[in-house]
Amino acid sequence: KAGVTQTPRYLIKTRGQQVTLSCSPISGHRSVSWYQQTPGQGLQFLFEYFSETQRNKGNFPGRFSGRQFSNSRSEMNVSTLELGDSALYLCASSREGGAFNEQFFGPGTRLTVL
Amino acid sequence: TQLLEQSPQFLSIQEGENLTVYCNSSSVFSSLQWYRQEPGEGPVLLVTVVTGGEVKKLKRLTFQFGDARKDSSLHITAAQPGDTGLYLCAGGGGSNYKLTFGKGTLLTVNP
Repeated sequence: KAGVTQTPRYLIKTRGQQVTLSCSPISGHRSVSWYQQTPGQGLQFLFEYFSETQRNKGNFPGRFSGRQFSNSRSEMNVSTLELGDSALYLCASSREGGAFNEQFFGPGTRLTVL
Repeated sequence: TQLLEQSPQFLSIQEGENLTVYCNSSSVFSSLQWYRQEPGEGPVLLVTVVTGGEVKKLKRLTFQFGDARKDSSLHITAAQPGDTGLYLCAGGGGSNYKLTFGKGTLLTVNP
């Protein structure tokens, strides 16, 4: 069974630009969550999608948005990039989401904002 | 806001030693998960505990969930270099579909 895939793996952007990251969950998984990981703040929850609906959202500004398609693939978008957005962005999928379901993480997209 | 504090933040030990890392919160969680993350990869789930006082063993790793479901510990016996990585705890609660992660313990096991 293929794991969670994220594209691209590495990305370099400049301040003010926007970026779109992609996540393909494990086949059969309907829940996709996104996290931002930085050395100072650790893993912080961005949002979670289930069957194309956003079920929960973390405390991030509106510049961070996401969506999920009917095949469960998900994208997240960051507009007007800031230096502080440099981070590892992780996507995780699970069958149903929630506190008791195992999440499978992808390898992440390393975003550097110059 | 639910917060999880992990300690120690860094731990460097020799192969064969035992160690314990901790995950504490003032909030009650419905479940507590432990992950290990290696450089360049995403976290991999090690265990999920859901019952207060629960103890789970995974080979040389022993996980315990506190009676009040506010804290957890991970004990590794006879650590090996392959145990090196970032250990993260994550708490989940109720109908909330998100996990709250601690900042992790970075473990280095030297041969």
